[in-house]
Amino acid sequence: DAGVTQSPTHLIKTRGQHVTLRCSPISGHKSVSWYQQVLGQGPQFIFQYYEKEERGRGNFPDRFSARQFPNYSSELNVNALLLGDSALYLCASSFVGDLNGYTFGSGTRLTVV
Amino acid sequence: KQEVTQIPAALSVPEGENLVLNCSFTDSAIYNLQWFRQDPGKGLTSLLLIQSSQREQTSGRLNASLDKSSGRSTLYIAASQPGDSATYLCALIKAAGNKLTFGGGTRVLVKP
Repeated sequence: DAGVTQSPTHLIKTRGQHVTLRCSPISGHKSVSWYQQVLGQGPQFIFQYYEKEERGRGNFPDRFSARQFPNYSSELNVNALLLGDSALYLCASSFVGDLNGYTFGSGTRLTVV
Repeated sequence: KQEVTQIPAALSVPEGENLVLNCSFTDSAIYNLQWFRQDPGKGLTSLLLIQSSQREQTSGRLNASLDKSSGRSTLYIAASQPGDSATYLCALIKAAGNKLTFGGGTRVLVKP
């Protein structure tokens, strides 16, 4: 049974470029959330999607956007990349209201040069 | 606004010693609390989840307690092993379906 899968695993981009990160949730999970983790810190919430609708947004600029598809997979897009966007981007899936909590993927390491 | 703090930020113990990891939070109105393990450069692995109505959860050598009135959770790891070396993160959910709010983590090194 596949867990949460994220792609790509690593990515190097230049300042000003845009990037698309992808996430496939656990089968049956309809909620997907995105988190940014800067080195040495805890993850920070970016977006949550449920049934293809945005259900929450963290304190991130409009350069960050996301969407969820009918199969519940999700994309995170970041435009006009800055050096400070370099981080580990984590995707988590869950049943909404699930008492079993969240399951995370292995993350995408984004480096902006 | 919920704030989650984990102190100390780093901890080094000899193999065999019991580990005690602390997590404190400012708002006692929580839905559940989840402990995660993170190996360097990797994703998060869920260790234990404590629902708001529970006081503790156990899995093998791991035991997590929750005291909402004092805003604290503690993760105990018995008889630590070098393989327990990792960063341990606690995270709270305020209501069903809400976001996780994380602490900064405690980086643990277990020396052989």
